[in-house]
Amino acid sequence: GQNIDQPTEMTATEGAIVQINCTYQTSGFNGLFWYQQHAGEAPTFLSYNVLDGLEEKGRFSSFLSRSKGYSYLLLKELQMKDSASYLCAVRVSGSNYQLIWGAGTKLIIKP
Amino acid sequence: EAQVTQNPRYLITVTGKKLTVTCSQNMNHEYMSWYRQDPGLGLRQIYYSMNVEVTDKGDVPEGYKVSRKEKRNFPLILESPSPNQTSLYFCASSSIPPYEQYFGPGTRLTVT
Repeated sequence: GQNIDQPTEMTATEGAIVQINCTYQTSGFNGLFWYQQHAGEAPTFLSYNVLDGLEEKGRFSSFLSRSKGYSYLLLKELQMKDSASYLCAVRVSGSNYQLIWGAGTKLIIKP
Repeated sequence: EAQVTQNPRYLITVTGKKLTVTCSQNMNHEYMSWYRQDPGLGLRQIYYSMNVEVTDKGDVPEGYKVSRKEKRNFPLILESPSPNQTSLYFCASSSIPPYEQYFGPGTRLTVT
């Protein structure tokens, strides 16, 4: 079967660094996405990885290891507005471009 | 402004009464998709479409229908809604292959 695992909830302090992990077991792999979702709102795109390594985008970075079926999202200099859920999604290979989503990690930022 | 719109935003209905949730995008995207989101389960894909007249089942298609007669529109149809379809529904679109998806604001559906 297809499966994506993320921690359910994490807590971090304003100004600190937090790493949110995502492991996946899917029938093929054709890219991994991270989205941010504030409570009651729609998800918004953060990052996309298809090759191994680190992609940096301002305070956010995303890492991928295809051989380990593993990714993480790194958030630096945390701000209160970073309190949100972070969703990991994998695009499986094949002609149907199906996307498999993790249940999301709720990140709570404390002052 | 590039956007995905959904209507209605909120809907309370009764079991068995057919309903349609509309979705429209103005970005000329080929790919469109419907998701439902339930607490603890994350986003689950219902149906998706690669282009006009091309649709495919996602993870949870039972009880839903879709159509893609025009590139910009992708309505979700519940022919006979049941209480287990009470959920938050999102429509999304992107270019092909599915890269950055743009999501609509969501439709909160309650079936009593």
